[in-house]
Amino acid sequence: KQEVTQIPAALSVPEGENLVLNCSFTDSAIYNLQWFRQDPGKGLTSLLLIQSSQREQTSGRLNASLDKSSGRSTLYIAASQPGDSATYLCAVRSVSTNDMRFGAGTRLTVKP
Amino acid sequence: GAGVSQSPSNKVTEKGKDVELRCDPISGHTALYWYRQSLGQGLEFLIYFQGNSAPDKSGLPSDRFSAERTGGSVSTLTIQRTQQEDSAVYLCASSGQGAYSGNTIYFGEGSWLTVV
Repeated sequence: KQEVTQIPAALSVPEGENLVLNCSFTDSAIYNLQWFRQDPGKGLTSLLLIQSSQREQTSGRLNASLDKSSGRSTLYIAASQPGDSATYLCAVRSVSTNDMRFGAGTRLTVKP
Repeated sequence: GAGVSQSPSNKVTEKGKDVELRCDPISGHTALYWYRQSLGQGLEFLIYFQGNSAPDKSGLPSDRFSAERTGGSVSTLTIQRTQQEDSAVYLCASSGQGAYSGNTIYFGEGSWLTVV
């Protein structure tokens, strides 16, 4: 059974810092991995989707990497802003199941 | 519509009552998912529909939970004889081609259920 773990559970940084969020998964047989953002009381917004054959994806200040063999992904946020404050979730789509498995998320606070 | 639409956005119900939650996926999306998120917890998979195939119900927590998808579009999640532990936000998502594609999935805003 695929298990997804995110570290740290919470992170607080001053504005302008670069930061890294970590995601690990136990079953490396995946189709893809996706990073989401969730604002309080809201649904999830997709940030980046990495196919199993890819190593990284970039969108603006966000860069996500994938090392499938070791079961790890990182989300790098450059020059963080207060508007980046949210919970960040990673999810993997396993070959063996039809669903996407989610981590518990990292709650990010960027202080002005 | 432009995005995944869920209703009601908020529902307070008495223990023991039945509730129905509705999801309108993005037009043309063949795959539809239901997830549950309890306070401070991660997302828990409930059920997955793909086209006309039999749904994957492996995540439904008990036989009080059921879901259907009519006409390959709108889906309804029904919880019978609600319990307090059913209180959570129920999130619906859709994607273009389902589990075995590289497509992004898109989430609705969720239905916040409180059982009192």
